[in-house]
Amino acid sequence: AQSVTQPDIHITVSEGASLELRCNYSYGATPYLFWYVQSPGQGLQLLLKYFSGDTLVQGIKGFEAEFKRSQSSFNLRKPSVHWSDAAEYFCAVGSGTYKYIFGTGTRLKVLA
Amino acid sequence: DVKVTQSSRYLVKRTGEKVFLECVQDMDHENMFWYRQDPGLGLRLIYFSYDVKMKEKGDIPEGYSVSREKKERFSLILESASTNQTSMYLCASSRGPGRGNTEAFFGQGTRLTVV
Repeated sequence: AQSVTQPDIHITVSEGASLELRCNYSYGATPYLFWYVQSPGQGLQLLLKYFSGDTLVQGIKGFEAEFKRSQSSFNLRKPSVHWSDAAEYFCAVGSGTYKYIFGTGTRLKVLA
Repeated sequence: DVKVTQSSRYLVKRTGEKVFLECVQDMDHENMFWYRQDPGLGLRLIYFSYDVKMKEKGDIPEGYSVSREKKERFSLILESASTNQTSMYLCASSRGPGRGNTEAFFGQGTRLTVV
């Protein structure tokens, strides 16, 4: 069955530190992969997506993610976190047809 | 920019009421979705629609129904609201298969409280 696992429920980092949020997926074919961010009380905003090609994808707000097929992972990274990055982050896999499977999210706290 | 608009940001309804949540998208997307978001559970799919008047059940359809009479509008209906339906509801839309990028675009969410 398709699934997405985000093993970290909460992560706290200091402003200016690097960040890596983990995402592992289970999917039979080459997946469509997404990272979304949700600020409190808001909807989800797309950060980046992977469909095919270069396994390192760049997104908005300085984020990047790397697709590693051998590890079934799609981890999100940022070299230097800003206080405004505090939010909840969701990894998702899409089948390319209709449905999306979301992880349970990782809540990021940024210390000043 | 794609815009997905949900009719209400906050709603308070009484137990047993019939509740309508409305969602409109302006990018001619074939697919539309209703999700429910609860802490620790992520997003769970209630219903989705891949065309006008077409719908399919998601993972948690019990207690809900949907309507899609026009391509741009997708309504979620709580037939008889209950307190366990207190939640954040998110509408999303995406292009159909074979039309390029298939990421979902989300509305701002409706926080529903049933008392």
